[in-house]
Amino acid sequence: GAGVSQSPSNKVTEKGKDVELRCDPISGHTALYWYRQSLGQGLEFLIYFQGNSAPDKSGLPSDRFSAERTGGSVSTLTIQRTQQEDSAVYLCASRVTSASYEQYFGPGTRLTVT
Amino acid sequence: QKEVEQDPGPLSVPEGAIVSLNCTYSNSAFQYFMWYRQYSRKGPELLMYTYSSGNKEDGRFTAQVDKSSKYISLFIRDSQPSDSATYLCAPSSGTYKYIFGTGTRLKVLA
Repeated sequence: GAGVSQSPSNKVTEKGKDVELRCDPISGHTALYWYRQSLGQGLEFLIYFQGNSAPDKSGLPSDRFSAERTGGSVSTLTIQRTQQEDSAVYLCASRVTSASYEQYFGPGTRLTVT
Repeated sequence: QKEVEQDPGPLSVPEGAIVSLNCTYSNSAFQYFMWYRQYSRKGPELLMYTYSSGNKEDGRFTAQVDKSSKYISLFIRDSQPSDSATYLCAPSSGTYKYIFGTGTRLKVLA
């Protein structure tokens, strides 16, 4: 079946512009994560959605970052007033339920802020 | 100190070699230990999963956890060029949060 998909695969934007990154999780997966991966860094947790529960936003680095998940499926990560330090690969992952352990990752969106 | 430490490499080995990849961690609450493999320009994929201490074998791969020393290892036997990737350890205390290491880049030379 289809895996996790993300769009766009690459995004180049100018400093100060807003960007939206999209994640389509595997159908039926209730849990969804956003991570950021910078060169030489591990996967940095950003936000976690589980069903209809309030999301865990504790990893969002600043109030310029926000995310939503509509209808328990598609998720959008928005970065406002982008800065050069926001340049990274943004990865989305989904899990079947909160009790399962395997995360299925999308291919990521490579964001470059010029 | 980071919660999870992993040598970034790169680690270069000849085809057929035994590879040892390692992580150390500081949180004694970690009970679940994952290894993910990430090919260039792809998302990570789960390779091995271990609960608590001990060994787990899957084909050419063996995951080992020593909770007393907070040390986790992944061994690859008969390494192949197709094993060239970045390997990330990811322990968890059983909540939904996994703490990923920086990853070790492995190159298996033909």
